[in-house]
Order: sequence, then C-alpha cells, then structure tokens
Amino acid sequence: DAKTTQPPSMDCAEGRAANLPCNHSTISGNEYVYWYRQIHSQGPQYIIHGLKNNETNEMASLIITEDRKSSTLILPHATLRDTAVYYCIGGLTLGRLYFGRGTQLTVWP
Amino acid sequence: DSGVTQTPKHLITATGQRVTLRCSPRSGDLSVYWYQQSLDQGLQFLIQYYNGEERAKGNILERFSAQQFPDLHSELNLSSLELGDSALYFCASSDSFLAQRYNEQFFGPGTRLTVL
Repeated sequence: DAKTTQPPSMDCAEGRAANLPCNHSTISGNEYVYWYRQIHSQGPQYIIHGLKNNETNEMASLIITEDRKSSTLILPHATLRDTAVYYCIGGLTLGRLYFGRGTQLTVWP
Repeated sequence: DSGVTQTPKHLITATGQRVTLRCSPRSGDLSVYWYQQSLDQGLQFLIQYYNGEERAKGNILERFSAQQFPDLHSELNLSSLELGDSALYFCASSDSFLAQRYNEQFFGPGTRLTVL
C-alpha cells in the first residue's frame, strides 16, 4: 500500500470550499486513492475514491494530479457537520484499509 | 446509519479478563473487517473474514481471535486483557473480496472497551 502524507490540521469557514491535500508519491499504477472521514469517534465513513481521473459525487470532488503523486479532496461548501478527521488512503491490499493520522478539519461559523 | 451493528456499545472490564465483541454486517455483505483505534496507534486493521473464512491478518495480537459464523455475523474475542487494550473496536463490512477494484467499507458505530 502507498504511504500517504497529510497535514495534521486545517480549518475552513462555513460555506467556503475546503481543500484537503494528500501526497502519495509511492502509489502504484493500479492502486486507488480512497478518502474516508471520521466524525468524533464515530465509525469512519467512505467519501470518494479515484484512480486517474477526477471524480465527483454528492459529498465531494477528488482531483488527482496527472503523475498521481498527490490528490486534493474538495468539499465545495463546507458546513459545521463536515468537521472531522479526513483520511487519505492509497491502495487497497486484500480489502484492508491502512489509515494514517489524517487531517483534522475544523469548520468554523 | 451504515447498516452495520455492533454490540455492546460500551464495555468495562478488568485486566486478565476475556470479552467478546459482536458485529452484524450489512445485509448481503460477505466480508467483515475488524479495526482497533487507540489514542497512540490510531486506526489499525486487525483481521478480515470473507464468507466464514479468514482472509487477511493485520496487527492482531495472539490473545485476540475472531470468527465469522454461517449467518455472517462476526465475533472478536479478546483475552487476558491488558490496560493497553482499551480502545475503540470497529467492525466494517463490504460486498466484495476483490481488493483490486472499488471496495467501499461500511463501518459500524464501534465498541468502546475500557480495561481497568
């Protein structure tokens, strides 16, 4: 699995876009990038995943650089309920997820 | 609500004891995963079962064991408990064993274990 690097914390004003970066320079060609989030000791929640192309769903957008060494998760209009720890995970070996420390996103009013 | 249930929500016990944590996956999901989350180690993968068979092991101690039953629910058994075993234990399920493709995991609410 690819090692990922994320800033430990970020903050964002409510209603603004939150852009969470992730470096995954060791990711291999067939490994996906997954994003999960965990709201205050609840079970982690899947957000989005991607391989090469940018992806968008109802929760977020994922922008992956052309060399696939980094990606950015975008929450277009952050709300207070988006305050959580966001995990970027590279690869998926036999279904298990390797969580790092993630980024604590704080959305302030 | 992810559809994954875990019982009990909270468990307080003493060192040296044995406990069993239970997980019911989403309807139709064949894969069950167990994770441990402690303050110092973060979220760590413990073990995976697929349709009753063990498929992958992570950082699971020998004092810990798990199984998945024919009805697909799973139990995680923790024995000879130590203070350091205090943590949140999450169960997750998914509908595919294949790791090469999209594989969203649905997490339960967790069991908080406190060892005194």
